[in-house]
Amino acid sequence: DTGVSQDPRHKITKRGQNVTFRCDPISEHNRLYWYRQTLGQGPEFLTCFQNEAQLEKSRLLSDRFSAERPKGSFSTLEIQRTEQGDSAMYLCASSSVLGHSSAGGYTFGSGTRLTVV
Amino acid sequence: AQTVTQSQPEMSVQEAETVTLSCTYDTSENNYYLFWYKQPPSRQMILVIRQEAYKQQNATENRFSVNFQKAAKSFSLKISDSQLGDTAMYFCAFPRGGSQGNLIFGKGTKLSVKP
Repeated sequence: DTGVSQDPRHKITKRGQNVTFRCDPISEHNRLYWYRQTLGQGPEFLTCFQNEAQLEKSRLLSDRFSAERPKGSFSTLEIQRTEQGDSAMYLCASSSVLGHSSAGGYTFGSGTRLTVV
Repeated sequence: AQTVTQSQPEMSVQEAETVTLSCTYDTSENNYYLFWYKQPPSRQMILVIRQEAYKQQNATENRFSVNFQKAAKSFSLKISDSQLGDTAMYFCAFPRGGSQGNLIFGKGTKLSVKP
């Protein structure tokens, strides 16, 4: 297992199109997170899963955004009817939550950079 | 509300010198973890150092160390013997809920190490 993988690395799309990103977490990790990062800012939380259950969605996640983790392994993030404001880096991270701790830390993928033109 | 504040948008340091990046946070949790992450240009975010709030001893990882002041809710990162490869964005973060929630990040400090 080589870490958290994200695909694609870059995506350029026309406004109004739908896009889907994939994240493959570290296999032993039961938690998976999606973040959005705009230029010069820290990552902002979008949503997270524990196994296949979606635990929480940020208010940043509008109705045009949907995320799934169907078998508790990889996850997809879909953006429908993309807007220019959706242009950002989309980061995936995973962690192993045991009891009340993610002491092992959070491992990030390289991200998918979305450009909406 | 749980927040993280990094008050230095940009910093620079000469190679081989020491630099300290500041971070303050606000939480009502008593037990929690704090993290510093490094994000080099166009590269993935990697964990630099981790501190457990119930430990009084400051964490150290090679050239990286922290000054953790729990009462002041301060968590600064010291980089000794700075190297050109340390040039990156540095983010302070902690898990919402203290130990297992999604990470809350500061806005980051852009560090440039100059030869």
